[in-house]
Amino acid sequence: EDQVTQSPEALRLQEGESSSLNCSYTVSGLRGLFWYRQDPGKGPEFLFTLYSAGEEKEKERLKATLTKKESFLHITAPKPEDSATYLCAVQAGNAGNMLTFGGGTRLMVKP
Amino acid sequence: EPEVTQTPSHQVTQMGQEVILRCVPISNHLYFYWYRQILGQKVEFLVSFYNNEISEKSEIFDDQFSVERPDGSNFTLKIRSTKLEDSAMYFCASSELSNYGYTFGSGTRLTVV
Repeated sequence: EDQVTQSPEALRLQEGESSSLNCSYTVSGLRGLFWYRQDPGKGPEFLFTLYSAGEEKEKERLKATLTKKESFLHITAPKPEDSATYLCAVQAGNAGNMLTFGGGTRLMVKP
Repeated sequence: EPEVTQTPSHQVTQMGQEVILRCVPISNHLYFYWYRQILGQKVEFLVSFYNNEISEKSEIFDDQFSVERPDGSNFTLKIRSTKLEDSAMYFCASSELSNYGYTFGSGTRLTVV
């Protein structure tokens, strides 16, 4: 059974204080690992897809990396508007197109 | 930027009633999905739809659920006889290719009383 575990569950940062969010996964044949941002009462907003170990992607203050067992979302010099829940999801090779989501990391950035 | 549109944003229904949740996916996308998120829990897969048929479904998607693409633009989720435990946020999503990042709608909050 595919499993996705995110840590920490919640993270409080001061504005400008860089940190990383972790997504550990167990999956049969990874087709893709996805990062989403979710604001309260909204749908997940797509950030990145990573397909193979060693791959990295960047967008503004966010950088996602992938190994064979986990992915990290690095946040550099965060701003209060980066406050949200960050979701990780995997798509397995034997599970069609469905995504299996982790529980998310709730990020709070204080000014 | 293209977006997935869901209506209504909030629906309250009595237990045992039928509800239809509506979605307009992005026009050039080929894959359509429904997910749900019970308050405080993970986002869960319900069903995927491709080429006018269900391509896969989860254990949650039992005989009480059905999906339909009645025309070239709408994609609907029907729950025939709602239960209290169906209360959740329901998200529609679409993607251009099967392993591309989905675009999610803003969701329909379903409350069963």
